[in-house]
Amino acid sequence: QLQLQESGPGLVRPSETLSLTCSVSGGSIGKSTYYWGWVRQPPGKGLEWIGSIYYDGTTVYNPSLTSRVTISVDTSKNQFSLKMSSVTAADTAVYYCARHLATHTPIEYWGQGTLVTVSS
Amino acid sequence: EIVLTQSPDFQSVTPKGEVTITCRASQSIGSNLHWYQQKPDQSPKLLIKFASQSISGVPSRFSGSGFGTQFTLTINSPEAEDAATYYCHQTSTVSHVWTFGQGTKVEIK
Repeated sequence: QLQLQESGPGLVRPSETLSLTCSVSGGSIGKSTYYWGWVRQPPGKGLEWIGSIYYDGTTVYNPSLTSRVTISVDTSKNQFSLKMSSVTAADTAVYYCARHLATHTPIEYWGQGTLVTVSS
Repeated sequence: EIVLTQSPDFQSVTPKGEVTITCRASQSIGSNLHWYQQKPDQSPKLLIKFASQSISGVPSRFSGSGFGTQFTLTINSPEAEDAATYYCHQTSTVSHVWTFGQGTKVEIK
């Protein structure tokens, strides 16, 4: 059974860079033709797609965040990562990592989510 | 960006009733519309894909319909465990930018 687990600091200072990693178990990122993505959810609010990366490193980002976001994959560690620069309080959210088959298919697997608070 | 608008924002039903949630897209997305259930402090769970396709392990009381710009999620004879927030999600092949509806909270009386 595929499992995704987010990890990273729970508190980030304003203007700094948020960094999260998603560890994948039960499947190999480098040997499977899937997309690996990030979705966030501010407390008490709805879902926002951040972006996704294909197993070969091809990325697609939400245009509203593309200037601040980088998603990368490390097949040797079976992990993929999210970096978001110049964060503000508006970036406070639960961040989920996820897997989907293609750019037009739904998310079949979600991580449990990790809360990141942006505060000084 | 394709905007998804769900209605209603909140629905309260009895176990012998029916839940109907509508999701309207700002432009045609074909059948690239999916539904998720999210319970408090849990990650979303896929219920229906491509407007009407069922997901293995999801109870048959959940069904979806629609095409183009209007979609519906129906829960027949909901159970107490169906109390959750439901989101629609579009994966348009034209836009390549994913968006979600704002969510509909369902209460089972």
